[in-house]
Amino acid sequence: GAGVSQSPSNKVTEKGKDVELRCDPISGHTALYWYRQRLGQGLEFLIYFQGNSAPDKSGLPSDRFSAERTGESVSTLTIQRTQQEDSAVYLCASSLLTNTGELFFGEGSRLTVL
Amino acid sequence: RKEVEQDPGPFNVPEGATVAFNCTYSNSASQSFFWYRQDCRKEPKLLMSVYSSGNEDGRFTAQLNRASQYISLLIRDSKLSDSATYLCVLPEASGSARQLTFGSGTQLTVLP
Repeated sequence: GAGVSQSPSNKVTEKGKDVELRCDPISGHTALYWYRQRLGQGLEFLIYFQGNSAPDKSGLPSDRFSAERTGESVSTLTIQRTQQEDSAVYLCASSLLTNTGELFFGEGSRLTVL
Repeated sequence: RKEVEQDPGPFNVPEGATVAFNCTYSNSASQSFFWYRQDCRKEPKLLMSVYSSGNEDGRFTAQLNRASQYISLLIRDSKLSDSATYLCVLPEASGSARQLTFGSGTQLTVLP
């Protein structure tokens, strides 16, 4: 499809396990964002990639969280030693330009840590 | 004070009603803002972009009040399909949109 694609759509894991979430942005979109949304809460910025520039990691909540992006394509968000408070929907978004607020979101990866 | 604050609602209005939401912000350097809508258990989608004092698109009107530092979204002749959570979004203080601040959202339910 032409939209932002995220996988898995749902992930249930045990506390202490590592998880990897994947995002395929819209082709040609240079900017890519990861957000976290806890149940009934707003969006929490995690990390931002823009082309080959150093990513803005200022939103990552702890060193258990990391993300990578290969060029202007796929990004993976890795959470190590998951905790119950990591349970949330992880949303990826991409945008063509960096000077607008027009983000295109994927449907998210719903993570449940037991 | 949070950078962006919204009344969480819920706002329950009858079909055909006019409803308005406000969003207050603390970053006075914001030159633009955006409204997104998020349906239940779905991803946010851009509703309106505003780069000046306001914008109108059909039944939707967004306005910016710089003096009082709030933005508003007005929905006229509300439809059942307008039921959603509405998020106001502002770029970060530097003027770059690389990091956007999302409000927590206002929940709207339009009743038949």
